[in-house]
Amino acid sequence: QSALTQPASVSGSPGQSITISCTGTSNDLGAYNYVSWYQQHPGKAPKLLIYEVSNRPSGVPDRFSGSKSGNTASLTISGLQAEDEAHYYCNSYTTTNIKFGGGTKLTVL
Amino acid sequence: EVQLLESGGGLVQPGGSLRLSCAASGFSFSTYGMSWVRQAPGKGLEWVSAITGSGDKTWHADSVTGRFTTSRDNSKNTVYLQMNNLRAEDTALYYCAKETTPIIVITQFDYWGQGTPVTVSS
Repeated sequence: QSALTQPASVSGSPGQSITISCTGTSNDLGAYNYVSWYQQHPGKAPKLLIYEVSNRPSGVPDRFSGSKSGNTASLTISGLQAEDEAHYYCNSYTTTNIKFGGGTKLTVL
Repeated sequence: EVQLLESGGGLVQPGGSLRLSCAASGFSFSTYGMSWVRQAPGKGLEWVSAITGSGDKTWHADSVTGRFTTSRDNSKNTVYLQMNNLRAEDTALYYCAKETTPIIVITQFDYWGQGTPVTVSS
């Protein structure tokens, strides 16, 4: 069982916005601002999209944004594009038993 | 350019051992913590272990504690995962990953290798 809970799937049409939630506890996601998000296309290694809750590495489009409120973090993708169809994983630092979220499959309709 | 290249995966019988290696280049290796993350076929990501840049501290997931050991050789820019007493549930693609921030280990990864597959089966 994942320590961080994500919806199994979300979908949206091109141009729309979607939000993926990641819920933890006061011992992990709620306690630290070290929340990261990863995109993984089939057969590929994960790619960092967001770190420290809301920071984007260079090269990641500003269509991707992150936020956190209490024990829940969120990844928002605006202006959906076909290439955004992938799995998305959250992760939060904690002092023990580090886990990723179970992953969310994004389908672009 | 940062590169991470894993090797050492393969087919092993239950109870057997393997040592995975991750050769790094393109950054100040000894400054950054490194982690191993695995992905079972068709499943999500599972953090396995982490090691500080100096190698003086390691952490392991409950599922591998006592069976897996993580180490590094900064003279060779390589991090290792020694896996003993392997089980069928250890079957996965094993990635090494680099921390975003020097010195501290906060399990945020800006670079990943392509992974090395491990299959545990008789």
